[in-house]
Amino acid sequence: GAVVSQHPSRVICKSGTSVKIECRSLDFQATTMFWYRQFPKQSLMLMATSNEGSKATYEQGVEKDKFLINHASLTLSTLTVTSAHPEDSSFYICSARSSTYNEQFFGPGTRLTVL
Amino acid sequence: AQSVAQPEDQVNVAEGNPLTVKCTYSVSGNPYLFWYVQYPNRGLQFLLKYITGDNLVKGSYGFEAEFNKSQTSFHLKKPSALVSDSALYFCAVRDMYSGGGADGLTFGKGTHLIIQP
Repeated sequence: GAVVSQHPSRVICKSGTSVKIECRSLDFQATTMFWYRQFPKQSLMLMATSNEGSKATYEQGVEKDKFLINHASLTLSTLTVTSAHPEDSSFYICSARSSTYNEQFFGPGTRLTVL
Repeated sequence: AQSVAQPEDQVNVAEGNPLTVKCTYSVSGNPYLFWYVQYPNRGLQFLLKYITGDNLVKGSYGFEAEFNKSQTSFHLKKPSALVSDSALYFCAVRDMYSGGGADGLTFGKGTHLIIQP
């Protein structure tokens, strides 16, 4: 089946630093990848959609200069949280979709804690 | 705009009894509908989806869901609940004809399913 991995699974950083989260599709080519964030006891909120080789499309209210997304290949997308602050602490989940599979496959998530 | 409503924050069911987790949706066109399950500190696991065809969709772990277009519902069901089914369940929708860059899924707020031994 289609497998999506995320790295790291958990990261703790100091306020003001930048953190990069990787999302990989392991056994299929992901033409589109999505980034979601989930606050405790809340639903997933779509942050942005990225298509391989093009700029990401951000949802309303998501700062594109703060959450940098790179989808440089068909198997890798990265989310960089720049100048992280405690309010950025959240569970970040990526998903990937290919032209073959008309559904999204989700990664296991990354727990970001900003001190 | 598309939206999903899961009216129950929590559903409690005794082990062995049938369970239902409710979901209603709103899209401008025809919907793609999904159910996912999430265990603590884990990502989402796919349960089932409705794209087209039979209104009753069978998925993983004995779950099924019925698409009802007139009621715009897609309730998740299982004939006999297990304690291991206890988790957070999300319903999600995507407009079949959405495209471009911003066509991610819209999720409901989630329903905690608690199966009591």
